[in-house]
Amino acid sequence: GAVVSQHPSRVICKSGTSVKIECRSLDFQATTMFWYRQFPKKSLMLMATSNEGSKATYEQGVEKDKFLINHASLTLSTLTVTSAHPEDSSFYICSVSGIGANEQFFGPGTRLTVL
Amino acid sequence: GDSVTQMEGPVTLSEEAFLTINCTYTATGYPSLFWYVQYPGEGLQLLLKATKADDKGSNKGFEATYRKETTSFHLEKGSVQVSDSAVYFCALSNTGGFKTIFGAGTRLFVKA
Repeated sequence: GAVVSQHPSRVICKSGTSVKIECRSLDFQATTMFWYRQFPKKSLMLMATSNEGSKATYEQGVEKDKFLINHASLTLSTLTVTSAHPEDSSFYICSVSGIGANEQFFGPGTRLTVL
Repeated sequence: GDSVTQMEGPVTLSEEAFLTINCTYTATGYPSLFWYVQYPGEGLQLLLKATKADDKGSNKGFEATYRKETTSFHLEKGSVQVSDSAVYFCALSNTGGFKTIFGAGTRLFVKA
């Protein structure tokens, strides 16, 4: 399967700042990337789906102006949490898929803590 | 819409015990079914999958059989180890992995 990395693995920031999380597909042409959010002891909640070179499609209830997603290449997608607040603290996980793949490949996750 | 229901945890077992985690699904068509495992502080890893009825996915001693008649995909392992302690997610995809629906997850604790 594909190898997916996320950076940073952990980030702590002050309320009101913006945080960028990178998701890289190291050996796979990721035409589609997904961003999930996971609350403690809960399942994954899909936030948005992005296709390379296109605007992301956000799930209902997810603020697109708060969670900015850029999928500029087949190997990189970024999620920017703008003006972060404590309620944005969570575990953010990306996954990738593409032509010929019948599953998603997940990154290791990024834990965001907003003070 | 499509959905996945799995048994609530936590499940606590002694080492070498038999494990079953139930999973049932609702979906149109013929989805692919997956089990993912999440170890503490990590992302998800694909444990096994099945893409059509009666297929059995297996990996690391874990097995699950795609049962269309009962819309189930129960996870089993004959003898669990402490290292199997993790959260297990059942999932389905009707779009070749492009949109995956996850169950709520079942936390497994294995005691030595």
